[in-house]
Amino acid sequence: DAKTTQPTSMDCAEGRAANLPCNHSTISGNEYVYWYRQIHSQGPQYIIHGLKNNETNEMASLIITEDRKSSTLILPHATLRDTAVYYCIVTYNNNDMRFGAGTRLTVKP
Amino acid sequence: NAGVTQTPKFQVLKTGQSMTLQCAQDMNHEYMSWYRQDPGMGLRLIHYSVGAGITDQGEVPNGYNVSRSTTEDFPLRLLSAAPSQTSVYFCASTRDYLDNEQFFGPGTRLTVL
Repeated sequence: DAKTTQPTSMDCAEGRAANLPCNHSTISGNEYVYWYRQIHSQGPQYIIHGLKNNETNEMASLIITEDRKSSTLILPHATLRDTAVYYCIVTYNNNDMRFGAGTRLTVKP
Repeated sequence: NAGVTQTPKFQVLKTGQSMTLQCAQDMNHEYMSWYRQDPGMGLRLIHYSVGAGITDQGEVPNGYNVSRSTTEDFPLRLLSAAPSQTSVYFCASTRDYLDNEQFFGPGTRLTVL
């Protein structure tokens, strides 16, 4: 079973920030938080990962709480092309990547 | 670079038939893996390989075989297809098992009648 809990679906207005939450209350000290997304029926796409510090790249920002029991993925200016299923995964290596059902984000015009 | 390629894109099998799903990558990645995705669900790891000649089981390995004779290729074999194996299969690769970004192929949609 996935070690994370995410809302089933969310909506966001185009141009606004999309904030996707993830709970991972049983995370271990050496486990990272990963985010991937899957657009329609394509293969998943890596977005960002972090251990305990906040991270930012060209796609998104990742905010991890101090106790590491939850995190938030932020898409700063959502576009229609960001409509996808977003997966939050907690693992320490690729041999144990467990994708849950994810959050279906719909960006609306 | 073509990235991760998978063939075929679609396949229909009858129960009991065997087939091989092909996966290749041209990024010289050591780590490759196979996932299946059932409708409305996330991906589940079937088998993985940390390098040529080395494979291991993931979360749902039953009914599948793999081999890794070259760095580039990682085929997945269904020995005797069952309706429960109807799914979309994704292959992925990354530099090594600790590397953070996996690259996924476009998937093979398999239906077993």
